[in-house]
Amino acid sequence: SQTIHQWPATLVQPVGSPLSLECTVEGTSNPNLYWYRQAAGRGLQLLFYSVGIGQISSEVPQNLSASRPQDRQFILSSKKLLLSDSGFYLCAWSQIEIHTQYFGPGTRLTVL
Amino acid sequence: KQEVTQIPAALSVPEGENLVLNCSFTDSAIYNLQWFRQDPGKGLTSLLLIQSSQREQTSGRLNASLDKSSGRSTLYIAASQPGDSATYLCAVRLQGNKLVFGAGTILRVKS
Repeated sequence: SQTIHQWPATLVQPVGSPLSLECTVEGTSNPNLYWYRQAAGRGLQLLFYSVGIGQISSEVPQNLSASRPQDRQFILSSKKLLLSDSGFYLCAWSQIEIHTQYFGPGTRLTVL
Repeated sequence: KQEVTQIPAALSVPEGENLVLNCSFTDSAIYNLQWFRQDPGKGLTSLLLIQSSQREQTSGRLNASLDKSSGRSTLYIAASQPGDSATYLCAVRLQGNKLVFGAGTILRVKS
């Protein structure tokens, strides 16, 4: 069966510090991968999605970037965090032909 | 631009009640609509997925309907239980497997 992991589960970072969140998927190959952010009281916003290694599409201009160095690894990064980057970050995957998205447990990021 | 709205934002009901959560979307050009459940501080769990050609899907005490032409979906929960307490999110799937989410309905079922 397929599983999706995210770490860390929680993170508190000062403004201006770098960020690296990791997402990995097990039990499948060549998945579509997604990064979402959920701000307090708001719906999930799609940040990035990837259909393959090194292929990243950005949905909104922002202070963040994403990379996919391996087939089942998706990384969300920032060089300098802003207060507005605080939120709950969720990674998801889907098989191209099935299309249902499965979500990871999330990372709670607080920028102080 | 596709926008998804969920009503009500929050709902509190006594155990055993049947309830309906509403979701509306502005652009009917969707591939499917999905209902998710999110427990506090957790990821999302898929509940039901309705393809654009379908009218409804059922799973246990849950029934989801879709009226694509009017841009509406409802999630019906029968005989609610305290364990149903969570945030319920609906999302529409656009081209390229992109999901657009509503802000969610926070449900509390009181015992």
